Amino acid sequence: ETGVTQTPRHLVMGMTNKKSLKCEQHLGHNAMYWYKQSAKKPLELMFVYSLEERVENNSVPSRFSPECPNSSHLFLHLHTLQPEDSALYLCASSQASGVTDTQYFGPGTRLTVL
Amino acid sequence: LAKTTQPISMDSYEGQEVNITCSHNNIATNDYITWYQQFPSQGPRFIIQGYKTKVTNEVASLFIPADRKSSTLSLPRVSLSDTAVYYCLVGDRGDYKLSFGAGTTVTVRA
Repeated sequence: ETGVTQTPRHLVMGMTNKKSLKCEQHLGHNAMYWYKQSAKKPLELMFVYSLEERVENNSVPSRFSPECPNSSHLFLHLHTLQPEDSALYLCASSQASGVTDTQYFGPGTRLTVL
Repeated sequence: LAKTTQPISMDSYEGQEVNITCSHNNIATNDYITWYQQFPSQGPRFIIQGYKTKVTNEVASLFIPADRKSSTLSLPRVSLSDTAVYYCLVGDRGDYKLSFGAGTTVTVRA
């Protein structure tokens, strides 16, 4: 297993469901990120973790709850989502949390909220 | 992070060279210029990064003039598989927020 993996690749959920997205990086990096990409829109940074500590929460609604148990794993817990939350959710990692550090992205989870 | 401006879209044909120019008039002294590529329904992929003059790797070249207020990503002899969105980002080591913007959609035709 190499790079950044994300599971599941596709998820359909109702507004009352609770689900979790998982990201795992096999690169030995210290920083991990969650991004949201809605149709025809730029990527939006949601959360940043550096050395397992959250360093950024970009005004994300509380129905999205991140968890970083160690430097290799990142979760995004979802509950009571809205249809407008349907999007591609991307995880990324980098050696450090600077723009000059290359971010390696996973394939994403395509989320549909009914 | 410095604001960047790039064309919304560009069309090309296989075998041609594609040049995408990004404007970043308020680039700071410590800022680097980084380009990413994104295919549909995939995460972005790092292409190249530079500070000044010219940088070349196996995928692309990056030209940065002396005033650093713009940069040009050059993709030599493109193929259909180079059809993607290309993002120009500017920032320094202290910035962890990648601001992708709308990017440039490059469409390569046969």
